[in-house]
Amino acid sequence: GDSVTQMEGPVTLSEEAFLTINCTYTATGYPSLFWYVQYPGEGLQLLLKATKADDKGSNKGFEATYRKETTSFHLEKGSVQVSDSAVYFCALSASGGSYIPTFGRGTSLIVHP
Amino acid sequence: NAGVTQTPKFQVLKTGQSMTLQCAQDMNHNSMYWYRQDPGMGLRLIYYSASEGTTDKGEVPNGYNVSRLNKREFSLRLESAAPSQTSVYFCASTDNKYEQYFGPGTRLTVT
Repeated sequence: GDSVTQMEGPVTLSEEAFLTINCTYTATGYPSLFWYVQYPGEGLQLLLKATKADDKGSNKGFEATYRKETTSFHLEKGSVQVSDSAVYFCALSASGGSYIPTFGRGTSLIVHP
Repeated sequence: NAGVTQTPKFQVLKTGQSMTLQCAQDMNHNSMYWYRQDPGMGLRLIYYSASEGTTDKGEVPNGYNVSRLNKREFSLRLESAAPSQTSVYFCASTDNKYEQYFGPGTRLTVT
């Protein structure tokens, strides 16, 4: 079945540092790829998405590129802020005959001033 | 649009008590989901409803029941709560198996 592997956290950075959170996947169909963000005490919300190979999703300074050859969708940001502290989830959409999306376990990001 | 709403936000139950978690969406989505989130475990799917009138088990259905009351509402029932069901519960919806929209969560403690 489909699966998503994310780097384990927590990832701890100083403000203005460069961020990479690795995400690799296995999929039998042609899913769309997502990054969701969860701020403390809240539900998950979509951060960015990519629907096909080589697409780049971007939002709020975050970027990720759908790489089919390496089955990866790594999240990057050039300069993190304290307000980016949250848990980040990589996910695949449901595809084929399934209605079940696949989520990674989440990576906690802590940004210090 | 309110998006996905959940009630209650917080709940404390004693072992053996029952309760129903309510979820509603106003986006006319076909599919709805219930997840639980525990530290270090990520999101685990409890039940889902691909469309009105259908429900299916997810990864961790034991101890739970669901009802898809209509297109908008999808409730989760705990018939006899156990401490192992202490968790944060999220409802989500999607229209085309694409991105999911999540509610704010219900924080449940079973003592």
